[in-house]
Amino acid sequence: AQKITQTQPGMFVQEKEAVTLDCTYDTSDQSYGLFWYKQPSSGEMIFLIYQGSYDEQNATEGRYSLNFQKARKSANLVISASQLGDSAMYFCAMRERSSGNTPLVFGKGTRLSVIA
Amino acid sequence: EPEVTQTPSHQVTQMGQEVILRCVPISNHLYFYWYRQILGQKVEFLVSFYNNEISEKSEIFDDQFSVERPDGSNFTLKIRSTKLEDSAMYFCASGSGGPAHEQYFGPGTRLTVT
Repeated sequence: AQKITQTQPGMFVQEKEAVTLDCTYDTSDQSYGLFWYKQPSSGEMIFLIYQGSYDEQNATEGRYSLNFQKARKSANLVISASQLGDSAMYFCAMRERSSGNTPLVFGKGTRLSVIA
Repeated sequence: EPEVTQTPSHQVTQMGQEVILRCVPISNHLYFYWYRQILGQKVEFLVSFYNNEISEKSEIFDDQFSVERPDGSNFTLKIRSTKLEDSAMYFCASGSGGPAHEQYFGPGTRLTVT
């Protein structure tokens, strides 16, 4: 079974509009972390935002926010005021167990294209 | 701002040859990882390393692969006898083990096996 599911292979958004990228996850652990990474065409993986399973408030980092719905096991990324530079692949990832050793499990990604 | 660096950025090798991919993690980080991404696919975990030993490894990380931290700064991935299917982007990542245990990725090494 997929641990991380990203159902949108591609998304388009108009510049300056907000966009939501979907992510659902599957775990039986009580303690876990959820992450979003951005991968521009140059290939590097850029850490965007983190949400811990015990965090009661949704994480925010600048124009990025994470809409965390624990009961639904969803961790959607919201990008506000989209910019052309936001065009990239976006990967949702999960780390089960609260340990620095634990690997990240990634979804298949969503390609976001921002249109001028 | 500190960052993870990787060399080379692109490596072309012939099938059956050995390659060593090099990484310099962020200096005060304690946890180190290798991931790979076959073109157009998702990022897959290979191995994690802590306290000078492997912590976890995936089923991909078979006897063909090995990791080493030869000194205080470098972290290497060796692939013995490369196969065509080893062609991928290889990412090194490091983490401080803080509350989020976030992992910071290097720019990747694109390995092409011909």
